[in-house]
Amino acid sequence: EVQLLESGGGLVQPGGSLRLSCAASGFTFSSSGMSWVRQAPGKGLEWVSTIARSGGSTFYADSVKGRFTISRDLSKNTLYLQMNSLRVEDTAVYYCARRGYCSSTNCYHYFDYWGQGTLVTVSS
Amino acid sequence: QTVVTQEPSFSVSPGGTVTLTCGLNSGSVSTSYSPSWYQQTPGQAPRTLIYSTNIRSSGVPDRFSGSILGNKAALTITGAQADDDSDYYCVLYMDSGISVFGGGTKLTVL
Repeated sequence: EVQLLESGGGLVQPGGSLRLSCAASGFTFSSSGMSWVRQAPGKGLEWVSTIARSGGSTFYADSVKGRFTISRDLSKNTLYLQMNSLRVEDTAVYYCARRGYCSSTNCYHYFDYWGQGTLVTVSS
Repeated sequence: QTVVTQEPSFSVSPGGTVTLTCGLNSGSVSTSYSPSWYQQTPGQAPRTLIYSTNIRSSGVPDRFSGSILGNKAALTITGAQADDDSDYYCVLYMDSGISVFGGGTKLTVL
């Protein structure tokens, strides 16, 4: 059974930093692209960042580029999101999601498994 | 800037059929954008419904179907049930590795 368990959320002041973790199990983590998606209170879902299957490519939404860094530790089957220079508008539930899968002939770009989310509150 | 558009709200009667759409401000949505659809109820994580335009995710009832209608991606619910009352989000995948969510459609079943 695929499981994604986020942790690391909490209250932080504007300008501060926080690192989120997502512990993965039930699938081959090293062969999977992974993403972070967030949802501000009462708002819609917003893609934040993706790390490719190879780990060699990372992608970011313009709203977090230069402030957030996605990474992974294959030895721990864990995905991270390092968030620096946090702003009030970064307040949201942050979800970890697996980035689809590849068959022998095609790669499917979507979010197929989701964690339950961790709340980040940026406030003074 | 890429904007993915969805109807803000829709309503359907129990047993009825509804089609939600997913458009692009800069042109037409095609299968190359790998449209996917997600259902979310308040306080819960999203649930994956459809990917690659029309492939149902594991365990999703066949009353949910995906397609391209005209220049938009579409999610059709046939025989709507009370527990389909949820928010629905589409996502388009850009070749650059970026994914863009639509603003979501709040579907009311009544």
